[in-house]
Amino acid sequence: KAGVTQTPRYLIKTRGQQVTLSCSPISGHRSVSWYQQTPGQGLQFLFEYFSETQRNKGNFPGRFSGRQFSNSRSEMNVSTLELGDSALYLCASSRGQTETQYFGPGTRLLVL
Amino acid sequence: GESVGLHLPTLSVQEGDNSIINCAYSNSASDYFIWYKQESGKGPQFIIDIRSNMDKRQGQRVTVLLNKTVKHLSLQIAATQPGDSAVYFCAVIFYNQGGKLIFGQGTELSVKP
Repeated sequence: KAGVTQTPRYLIKTRGQQVTLSCSPISGHRSVSWYQQTPGQGLQFLFEYFSETQRNKGNFPGRFSGRQFSNSRSEMNVSTLELGDSALYLCASSRGQTETQYFGPGTRLLVL
Repeated sequence: GESVGLHLPTLSVQEGDNSIINCAYSNSASDYFIWYKQESGKGPQFIIDIRSNMDKRQGQRVTVLLNKTVKHLSLQIAATQPGDSAVYFCAVIFYNQGGKLIFGQGTELSVKP
């Protein structure tokens, strides 16, 4: 069974731009969560989607948004990029909300 | 608020020795605990999990111990190998926060040959 895939793997943007990251969960998994990982803050929860509905949200500004499609694939969007948004963005999928989450390789975003 | 912390940011062990990585959590409402391993350039990889109705669970060369009385979780790796070098995270689900996963800061394990 294929694992969680994320595209693109690397991305360079400039301040003020917006970016869309994509995540394809493991087949049969309906829950997708997004995390931001930085050296200073560690792994921080962004949001979680289940059956196209956002069920949980972390403490990030409204510039960070996401959605989930009917095939469980998910996208997250960051608008008006800031230098501090440079990070590894990780997607994780699970069968349900309290099931084990399996992570993708991440998208490394650099904002210049 | 709820938090998850690790006792040591780094741990260095000799190849063949046993490793113990510790983690503490703050919320008694936690029900599900997971250990992840993250190698450089990769996403976190699931190692082992344990639910609150257990105090010990064993996998291949790994054991997780849960002490709910002192809110402490540990990961034991037997016969540590160079391939075990990575950052290890404990993660906890706090059900009073809608079930989101909260991660500790991570312990970087270095295995000396």
